[in-house]
Parts: sequence; structure tokens; C-alpha cells
Amino acid sequence: NAGVTQTPKFRILKIGQSMTLQCTQDMNHNYMYWYRQDPGMGLKLIYYSVGAGITDKGEVPNGYNVSRSTTEDFPLRLELAAPSQTSVYFCASSYPGAGNTIYFGEGSWLTVV
Amino acid sequence: GDSVTQMEGPVTLSEEAFLTINCTYTATGYPSLFWYVQYPGEGLQLLLKATKADDKGSNKGFEATYRKETTSFHLEKGSVQVSDSAVYFCALSLETSGSRLTFGEGTQLTVNP
Repeated sequence: NAGVTQTPKFRILKIGQSMTLQCTQDMNHNYMYWYRQDPGMGLKLIYYSVGAGITDKGEVPNGYNVSRSTTEDFPLRLELAAPSQTSVYFCASSYPGAGNTIYFGEGSWLTVV
Repeated sequence: GDSVTQMEGPVTLSEEAFLTINCTYTATGYPSLFWYVQYPGEGLQLLLKATKADDKGSNKGFEATYRKETTSFHLEKGSVQVSDSAVYFCALSLETSGSRLTFGEGTQLTVNP
């Protein structure tokens, strides 16, 4: 049972570099999300998508971009990395409906130096 | 806006002690409520949930009751184990916000033998 798969698990970036965090899910979920978790803090929503071709901003979208060309994939692009983007990133997915469980990937640890 | 407030941690207990982690929420509608658990180096896993007032969620000896009158969803366990050491997150989700999770800050629990 793969669930939500994120890659890479660890990455070190230099200031100004760009990269894409990959996320794929095999549960045929319509909804997908990207969260970031800073040390000792809760999770903040970056972007979310309610279906292929539809994306929307969350609480902290600045410095990030997303696309959703298929149901399965929801990559997160970091443009011009900054130290403030050092964080742990979690991709998640769910069926529609507030009572449904949201399933999380294992996380991607990103350090910007 | 919608928000979740958890008791501050860290919390340190001896094995077999009683656990309570307080969680209160503010929401414009009628949210679904969740407790997620994060073990060291891992992603978040759903621990339990409740989707309407007076519902009780339970799993692995943990329980929480959705109290609309006090806007609370406190997590309890009668006898904690060392393996319960983790970070616990309270969260809410609303149909009107695309089922996104709004998280509390998390409570670090350490259980000593």
C-alpha cells in the first residue's frame, strides 16, 4: 500500500536555487495538499487542489508554485530558494468532505543554506 | 478565522500515568475534529476523529469527545506507554474551506519507563 509518496526525502539547496518536490498518491483522491512544518510548530497550508487542473493558495503560498495535471500527481515548485523556506514539507490527499481522513506522506526535509 | 489551540508542551509522564492534552477550537461553522500523531522522523497519522457534536473518537486506548458547548476536543488516555511518545496535533476541517485541515501547534509527549 503506497498511499502518498514524496521525493526527495532530504535535500540541501543553496540560496537562489530552484527545485521541485514530487508527490504522488495511488488512492484516487480528488483533494491534494502541501503543508510545511517549521520546528516546534504546527503545519501551515501552502497550496491545495480539489482536482486535476484546479489549484488554490493556502496560508503561506509566497515563494512556491504548484500544478495538478493528473489526479495522482501534485508537485510543489520552490523558486529562488530562501533560508526562510528551510522546513519539512508534507504532501497529503483525501476524498472530498470535511469528515474524511487526510493521508500524509512521510515528509521532505529541505535545508536552504 | 478558524483556529485550534492546544495546551503547551512538552508533556513528560511516567509509564501508566493518565494523559490529558487539551484542545479548543474557534470555527465559523460546524467542523470535523481530528487528532493526528507524529512519531519521530515520520509523517502524520490519523489517531482519531469526530464529525459531529457529542461524538467520541477512540483508537489505541486514546479517546476524545466533541464538545460543542465548550468548543473542545480534549485527548485522553488512561495509561500511557513509552511507545506513545510522539507529537500530537489537534486539527479541524470545514466543508466551507475545502476540507483543509487547520492545525494546532502540537504537543510533544515523552513517556518515561
